[in-house]
Amino acid sequence: ELLLESGGGLVQPGGSLRLSCVVSEIYVSGNSMTWVRQAPGKGLEWVAIFHRGGTAEYAESVRGRFVISRDSSNNTIYLQMNSLTPEDTAVYFCARELWPNWLDPWGQGTLVSVSS
Amino acid sequence: IVLTQSPATLSLSLGERATLFCKTSQSVGFYLAWYQQKPGQAPRLLIYDTSIRATGIPARFSGSGSETDFTLTISSLEPDDFAVYYCQARSDWRTFGQGTKLEIK
Repeated sequence: ELLLESGGGLVQPGGSLRLSCVVSEIYVSGNSMTWVRQAPGKGLEWVAIFHRGGTAEYAESVRGRFVISRDSSNNTIYLQMNSLTPEDTAVYFCARELWPNWLDPWGQGTLVSVSS
Repeated sequence: IVLTQSPATLSLSLGERATLFCKTSQSVGFYLAWYQQKPGQAPRLLIYDTSIRATGIPARFSGSGSETDFTLTISSLEPDDFAVYYCQARSDWRTFGQGTKLEIK
């Protein structure tokens, strides 16, 4: 696996989780890395991107609650998710973004379930 | 940008030709990509910049179009092709279409 996500699980509304994406054969510091999610039975929704240059952008639905970060020494991308709601329930995928916005490759995903 | 894919579901037999459509709410030039997703798997990049096949993608997959109207064609369906297909356009919000499910008839 080039990208391997972990950290998903069941969390109560209002809780927090941190997802990790360990990357092989691709230097995260030299690439823009993204998180995309997919709610059960639904389509794809872009969540956040950590640009190669070190800046981050977020979808409006998660801005102010989620934080994407990069650890170049461990070649890992993180997604810190706070104030979770049931609407955040989804499989979360990490992926490399190629110019201009194409995503390749993708990890296998990690499931986040927000429920009481 | 809003991406509208049609049809929502396409039922075809092995060996038939599949044609999937993606319409964007504003011009994206030729900056459109297609992804394939099989049940329980991550999406896979198939086509980018309208018509360029990603690494390892068979030649039976082709893309065409420009500006606001795009097409993904599978020339002769094989069992492995039945999946959900998403289009994505170049945009600040990295928007995806809602998907077309290609199922066996």
